[in-house]
Amino acid sequence: SQQGEEDPQALSIQEGENATMNCSYKTSINNLQWYRQNSGRGLVHLILIRSNEREKHSGRLRVTLDTSKKSSSLLITASRAADTASYFCGGSEKLVFGKGTKLTVNP
Amino acid sequence: NAGVTQTPKFQVLKTGQSMTLQCAQDMNHNSMYWYRQDPGMGLRLIYYSASEGTTDKGEVPNGYNVSRLNKREFSLRLESAAPSQTSVYFCASSEGWQSYEQYFGPGTRLTVT
Repeated sequence: SQQGEEDPQALSIQEGENATMNCSYKTSINNLQWYRQNSGRGLVHLILIRSNEREKHSGRLRVTLDTSKKSSSLLITASRAADTASYFCGGSEKLVFGKGTKLTVNP
Repeated sequence: NAGVTQTPKFQVLKTGQSMTLQCAQDMNHNSMYWYRQDPGMGLRLIYYSASEGTTDKGEVPNGYNVSRLNKREFSLRLESAAPSQTSVYFCASSEGWQSYEQYFGPGTRLTVT
């Protein structure tokens, strides 16, 4: 299984702070993707990082990938209340997801 | 451009009843997927279709069947619903099988009593 496991399970921060969440996976991947899910909604794609990349930026998002440790991290800078959601990672092909990190950004 | 649409949005079934969840995408994507999400859990892949004409089992296929009707449509059938199938079901599609982002539908909330 290429299951992603997100850590921590829950994270509560104040608006303006940075949020970091981590993902570990079990087998080799071609790419790793991060998704956001607002309560009761479908997942929305945030960013894809390929196995030959170490870091990628998109707006306030920064993703790193360490294939030797089979891990990735997602950093959200200058968080906003609208960033409150669950965040999931998944590897390539079948995109098996973990339980996600539930992020709460307090105004 | 509606993206990925799912019907119905909500459904209540009695144990043993059957139903089909419908999914359609208008993005000319080759690959389509069905997931289920239980409370406090991530998504688990039920079945997927890497391309039109092919379907394969995912992580939790027991109790389900699928049909890739054409390039646009991918349906999920519960032949004999069980309370353990109470969940939110998401359909997704992607341009290709590997290294492509997935686009998700709004979900179908199914309760089996």
